[in-house]
Amino acid sequence: GQQVMQIPQYQHVQEGEDFTTYCNSSTTLSNIQWYKQRPGGHPVFLIQLVKSGEVKKQKRLTFQFGEAKKNSSLHITATQTTDVGTYFCAGPGSGSARQLTFGSGTQLTVLP
Amino acid sequence: GAGVSQSPSNKVTEKGKDVELRCDPISGHTALYWYRQSLGQGLEFLIYFQGNSAPDKSGLPSDRFSAERTGGSVSTLTIQRTQQEDSAVYLCASSQDVGWSTDTQYFGPGTRLTVL
Repeated sequence: GQQVMQIPQYQHVQEGEDFTTYCNSSTTLSNIQWYKQRPGGHPVFLIQLVKSGEVKKQKRLTFQFGEAKKNSSLHITATQTTDVGTYFCAGPGSGSARQLTFGSGTQLTVLP
Repeated sequence: GAGVSQSPSNKVTEKGKDVELRCDPISGHTALYWYRQSLGQGLEFLIYFQGNSAPDKSGLPSDRFSAERTGGSVSTLTIQRTQQEDSAVYLCASSQDVGWSTDTQYFGPGTRLTVL
């Protein structure tokens, strides 16, 4: 079945440093979504990428979808303590077209 | 409602007991999903409901797990004869399911289940 791998599993950065998490799929994805889960909270949708090579920005966050639509990345510039949380990528599951297969997530800690 | 709500927020039960978890999706959302998240882990898909179609139960880990959705709105996830490995946060999500692409899912706060 489809697998979505995410690296790294954990990342500790000093406030102000950059951060990147990578997502790789075993199959081509029609689209990919990114979610953020704050400690003790629930996943919150950040963005969806659909086109090959697509790049989207949200303030200090930059999302990329690979040309082959099998990988994606999230880059945060100049991290802040508010960026703390776990970032998940998710792609359409191999079952129903609407279910999502989530990556294992990258837990980001920002040290003040 | 304003968002997806779930109840109870916390549930502690004894091994072997049955539990029911409830999810109220966003009004007008036709799709509803249940996920399980163990401590420090990712989200494990359990079941998906879409309108009046038969649910996609492909993620249910055993026949002790079942779910229903009455009237296309509220959903209940039932775990029978709970085991300690069932301890996790159970998350419900809903989406509008209006297009060809995978829809944005809106998650509830989850129910933290602890099986003693």
